[in-house]
Amino acid sequence: DTGVSQNPRHKITKRGQNVTFRCDPISEHNRLYWYRQTLGQGPEFLTYFQNEAQLEKSRLLSDRFSAERPKGSFSTLEIQRTEQGDSAMYLCASSRERTTEAFFGQGTRLTVV
Amino acid sequence: AQSVTQPDIHITVSEGASLELRCNYSYGATPYLFWYVQSPGQGLQLLLKYFSGDTLVQGIKGFEAEFKRSQSSFNLRKPSVHWSDAAEYFCAVGARDGNKLVFGAGTILRVKS
Repeated sequence: DTGVSQNPRHKITKRGQNVTFRCDPISEHNRLYWYRQTLGQGPEFLTYFQNEAQLEKSRLLSDRFSAERPKGSFSTLEIQRTEQGDSAMYLCASSRERTTEAFFGQGTRLTVV
Repeated sequence: AQSVTQPDIHITVSEGASLELRCNYSYGATPYLFWYVQSPGQGLQLLLKYFSGDTLVQGIKGFEAEFKRSQSSFNLRKPSVHWSDAAEYFCAVGARDGNKLVFGAGTILRVKS
């Protein structure tokens, strides 16, 4: 068990560019979550998957955001046409089904300049 | 709607002193409750959780928390703080069917020697 892995750890991008983040969950966990954390705030839920199915999306997840989890394994979060307001830490977590105990990765810090 | 309030943004304690971090939640049913810790630039580490049963739960690193239903509180305590405990602490509430967590805004703990 190597924990939840996120790549890259840091990303600096110019406004208007697209970015993609990857999350590899704990192998036996079939639920995967994405959260966003801005400075001075707690993490805010974005979306979650059970296996390959995306079951819930937050209103925070605008049309510029898309998440996938092909084959129920790793997940990607893509942000199109980035804006300065997208600058945040993006956290991935995973859990077993029917449990709320989530294990978090170290996050990807996005800076949009 | 679920919500979590952590009334203290910053707390400073002397090394060796006792610690209590406050957490109040709003939830329509019996919640699952969590405390996570986050060091700068890192992901979240689970300290402890309450699902049911004994209202005093023990966690890692010598932390404990007490669930008080009548006060809608889940305060985190430690009898003697170490300098390595300096970090940001987040309280979170989740549904029993195991989907998203709702976090408080966090409390930053500073430890003075």
